Amino acid sequence: DSGVTQTPKHLITATGQRVTLRCSPRSGDLSVYWYQQSLDQGLQFLIQYYNGEERAKGNILERFSAQQFPDLHSELNLSSLELGDSALYFCASSVGVSNTEAFFGQGTRLTVV
Amino acid sequence: SQELEQSPQSLIVQEGKNLTINCTSSKTLYGLYWYKQKYGEGLIFLMMLQKGGEEKSHEKITAKLDEKKQQSSLHITASQPSHAGIYLCGADWNNFNKFYFGSGTKLNVKP
Repeated sequence: DSGVTQTPKHLITATGQRVTLRCSPRSGDLSVYWYQQSLDQGLQFLIQYYNGEERAKGNILERFSAQQFPDLHSELNLSSLELGDSALYFCASSVGVSNTEAFFGQGTRLTVV
Repeated sequence: SQELEQSPQSLIVQEGKNLTINCTSSKTLYGLYWYKQKYGEGLIFLMMLQKGGEEKSHEKITAKLDEKKQQSSLHITASQPSHAGIYLCGADWNNFNKFYFGSGTKLNVKP
């Protein structure tokens, strides 16, 4: 158990809909990272938050957004969903913004039908 | 996770030396992924090995999948300081229903 909790574990929704994925980092960790893993690609870095502020942005679509709340949990919002958005979404957390290891949650499996 | 065990946990090598990292699965592998994490950055996808004894190379890094042993090895030739980081293996066992990571191998390369 990495200490990083992601909910829900599975999500099935229709195209055009909007969903919210939630991540609770390890106790004491200030950084939260979001990743997308689809069947034909490795993990794609989406975005990083550190202590409530956006720190780094990767290959995140404009239809996607994220935020980190004062209690340090984070949410990833996916809107206008397309079939191609079906993937595993991972959250990771780390103590600092750099020079630290990240611990990963078990992922949320999103299926868009 | 216990489903994926990596060894060694950490490794310090002199620049120019070769090294090998292993990842052993407790279940039949469906797909095995290797990632590298540099401190302060997200995971970098290195390569994916599919069932069938595959071998792939990326620059000086070669990974093999031994399906009989349910093990994958990552081999770095002529290591450089830029190879330093944490190497993670990841696997899915049942048609992408679950995905697990190994515990990681910390690699330091001394110049």
